[in-house]
Amino acid sequence: QVQLQESGPGLVRPSETLSLTCTVSGGSMNDYYWSWIRQSPGKGLEWIGLIYSSGSTKYNPSLGSRVTLSLDTSKNHFSLKLTSMTAAETAVYFCARHKDAAAGPFIFEVWGQGTLVTVSS
Amino acid sequence: QTALTQPASVSGSPGQSITISCTGGGSDIGGYNYVSWYQQHPDSAPKLIIYGVTKRPSGVSHRFSGSKSGNTASLTISGLQAADEADYYCASYNSGITFGLFGGGTKLFVL
Repeated sequence: QVQLQESGPGLVRPSETLSLTCTVSGGSMNDYYWSWIRQSPGKGLEWIGLIYSSGSTKYNPSLGSRVTLSLDTSKNHFSLKLTSMTAAETAVYFCARHKDAAAGPFIFEVWGQGTLVTVSS
Repeated sequence: QTALTQPASVSGSPGQSITISCTGGGSDIGGYNYVSWYQQHPDSAPKLIIYGVTKRPSGVSHRFSGSKSGNTASLTISGLQAADEADYYCASYNSGITFGLFGGGTKLFVL
């Protein structure tokens, strides 16, 4: 079955850019939506943005123009870039695959294990 | 709207049933049948347990069921087990600028 694995630095300095990659194994990226979701320590879930296998994107407006998602289906991975990071954005960052489009939007069927990103100088 | 509204915590005894509510508005829960629920144990990723308001993914126990009335969705867990103690999150598509929203989460205690 499909598995997702996040990778990237565990520590980011304030004002710098976070770059994370989600590697997809056991299945194709085609015809699915892929999202990034984060969870601050002891807090709830926050959706960051999604990318379709065609490359079209949609972002959480609360993040403004700081967020960019990209993907490379030939390498079976998609990526997140989040600029101007602050300490308040210390969180576990999850990547997730949406359920098939027929089921409806904003349904996260497969999740990575998550990676903790700490923002600190 | 920044989040759907859930109670901070609920509790129940083994064998009992509990219900967790999730309240939104007409642009999300009230307007569409795209509510989903997730179970999250400590230090684990969330797991999809209900989607499309009432549908269960393959492998999810029949003890979990979902419903909706107006702008409020509900998750019911029957025959509570110790393993059900976890955080539960609702989510819904939103036709406004946010595209989708999560609830703040509900901690379930099995006493």
